[in-house]
Amino acid sequence: GDSVTQTEGQVTVSESKSLIINCTYSATSIGYPNLFWYVRYPGEGLQLLLKVITAGQKGSSRGFEATYNKEATSFHLQKASVQESDSAVYYCALSESQGGRALIFGTGTTVSVSP
Amino acid sequence: GPKVLQIPSHQIIDMGQMVTLNCDPVSNHLYFYWYKQILGQQMEFLVNFYNGKVMEKSKLFKDQFSVERPDGSYFTLKIQPTALEDSAVYFCASSFTAFNQAPLFGEGTRLSVL
Repeated sequence: GDSVTQTEGQVTVSESKSLIINCTYSATSIGYPNLFWYVRYPGEGLQLLLKVITAGQKGSSRGFEATYNKEATSFHLQKASVQESDSAVYYCALSESQGGRALIFGTGTTVSVSP
Repeated sequence: GPKVLQIPSHQIIDMGQMVTLNCDPVSNHLYFYWYKQILGQQMEFLVNFYNGKVMEKSKLFKDQFSVERPDGSYFTLKIQPTALEDSAVYFCASSFTAFNQAPLFGEGTRLSVL
């Protein structure tokens, strides 16, 4: 079936350092999935960070970037220099491009940025 | 910005009782969703809803579950009767269009079935 894998459950990084959160996916029944990164900041609801709907394209938001790599079936999230305010739980997700379909989430990666 | 509201944030109910989870979606949104997250596990899709009908549902959407949006107001998830394994956080989401649009999520309602 279709699935999303985030290998790191928890990541600790120092402020101003770089961050990579790995995400790979399997889309056996979806030809051209849409890919998303959602984020949940402490005390807040889940919110969209960025999305990419076309293979080979890069999405960016709030200093984060992710490239839709169809060959590697990956959608890693990166930031060159993190801030303490980036501490949150990050979720990778995919869906079919057809309307209103289910999002399939990864298990989430908790990022703690230390000052 | 627009928000999806879920009140209350926590509901406690005895096993076997009925519970209705309420969601106030963004006013002009047309597609509605429920997701379930058991503690320590990933968020999983339950059901989506458009034009008064369920479009698709997962195997987690048991016969005891039902959804509706009467009179275009709250989008509700009803569980009757509840079971211990229904304890989880339930997230509502909505979107205006469906094609390529990421749904907007509420903060979730934690359901504790005792």
